[in-house]
Amino acid sequence: AQSVTQLDSQVPVFEEAPVELRCNYSSSVSVYLFWYVQYPNQGLQLLLKYLSGSTLVKGINGFEAEFNKSQPSFHLRKPSVHISDTAEYFCAVSGEGSQGNLIFGKGTKLSVKP
Amino acid sequence: NAGVMQNPRHLVRRRGQEARLRCSPMKGHSHVYWYRQLPEEGLKFMVYLQKENIIDESGMPKERFSAEFPKEGPSILRIQQVVRGDSAAYFCASSPGRSSYGYTFGSGTRLTVV
Repeated sequence: AQSVTQLDSQVPVFEEAPVELRCNYSSSVSVYLFWYVQYPNQGLQLLLKYLSGSTLVKGINGFEAEFNKSQPSFHLRKPSVHISDTAEYFCAVSGEGSQGNLIFGKGTKLSVKP
Repeated sequence: NAGVMQNPRHLVRRRGQEARLRCSPMKGHSHVYWYRQLPEEGLKFMVYLQKENIIDESGMPKERFSAEFPKEGPSILRIQQVVRGDSAAYFCASSPGRSSYGYTFGSGTRLTVV
């Protein structure tokens, strides 16, 4: 069975500081990996995804993530955060043989302070 | 090209009433996924539908919950005889095909059972 663990439920950080949101997963098959962002009272917006190829994936809003098959992990990073990055971030995994449904982590609330 | 439209955005029901949540997929998308988000939890898959077919309902509670996606009109998630524990945000997502590549989410319906 697949599972996703987001290691930090809350991450406070100062504006312009770097941030890393951690995501570990378990799966017995090859997977596709995703990060979504949810702003208050809104739906989920896709930040980036890993399907195959280069293990470093670049997404929107300056975010990037690195797929590490040996750990296995898919941590999200941004070198310099803005106040507007304050939101909840979800890591998700979808197995190649699945019907397309995603398994989500419980989320990490990023709080960027001035 | 409108995104995934969900309505209503907020729904209040008394215990024992029925809740009907609607999801209109993006134009050209014939696959719909429903997820439920409980407080402090990530999203949990409920059901995957194509036009007129339920493909995977492994995440649906066995009683009181049903979903449909008719040939014409939106997808409907119906919850009969609601209880307080049904209070949650319900999100739908759509894709042009069975997709593990990430799909587009709606803004959700927040159901409150009083």
